[in-house]
Amino acid sequence: SQKIEQNSEALNIQEGKTATLTCNYTNYSPAYLQWYRQDPGRGPVFLLLIRENEKEKRKERLKVTFDTTLKQSLFHITASQPADSATYLCALAGSTLGRLYFGRGTQLTVWP
Amino acid sequence: GAVVSQHPSRVICKSGTSVKIECRSLDFQATTMFWYRQFPKKSLMLMATSNEGSKATYEQGVEKDKFLINHASLTLSTLTVTSAHPEDSSFYICSARSPGAAGNTIYFGEGSWLTVV
Repeated sequence: SQKIEQNSEALNIQEGKTATLTCNYTNYSPAYLQWYRQDPGRGPVFLLLIRENEKEKRKERLKVTFDTTLKQSLFHITASQPADSATYLCALAGSTLGRLYFGRGTQLTVWP
Repeated sequence: GAVVSQHPSRVICKSGTSVKIECRSLDFQATTMFWYRQFPKKSLMLMATSNEGSKATYEQGVEKDKFLINHASLTLSTLTVTSAHPEDSSFYICSARSPGAAGNTIYFGEGSWLTVV
């Protein structure tokens, strides 16, 4: 079965720095890779989607890269702010977008 | 924007009873919804795919008789946890796919906390 690893359970960075989160996967060839934000006790909120034939996607201060050879995605938050503190989830989907397989998440803390 | 609503947000039930959780798409029609569960500090685990007008598709290891799913309309899917036990206590989250100009987008509900005592 597919295995998704977000190799940092927690990441602490100073405000203004760039946060880089990693998602590695095995035993799967996703058609889509997505990143979500989850605050404590809340449902995930969609941030970015990148397709298997795309290398990079940007949205405001967010950037996602997708390397299907390395089976890895990197998620960057530039000019990080304390409000960015949350758990960030990587999720894979096949052709049936919606059936998502999640990593355990990385808890990001941005301190002033 | 599209919103997915879950009800109740929190529920406590006695062991052995059944509890129903509703998932509604408020401003779009969702032929397919998805149910997940999440234990504290753990990943979301896909339980089943809910298909409007047909039987749900369950992931391996999920008991279909334990977790009954009904998708009776294009805006409502329900998850019923039957004969609940304390180990069923978890955070249950639904999602729905909304077609749009930018392609399909997945929206999640706010989740439902189930505590079985």
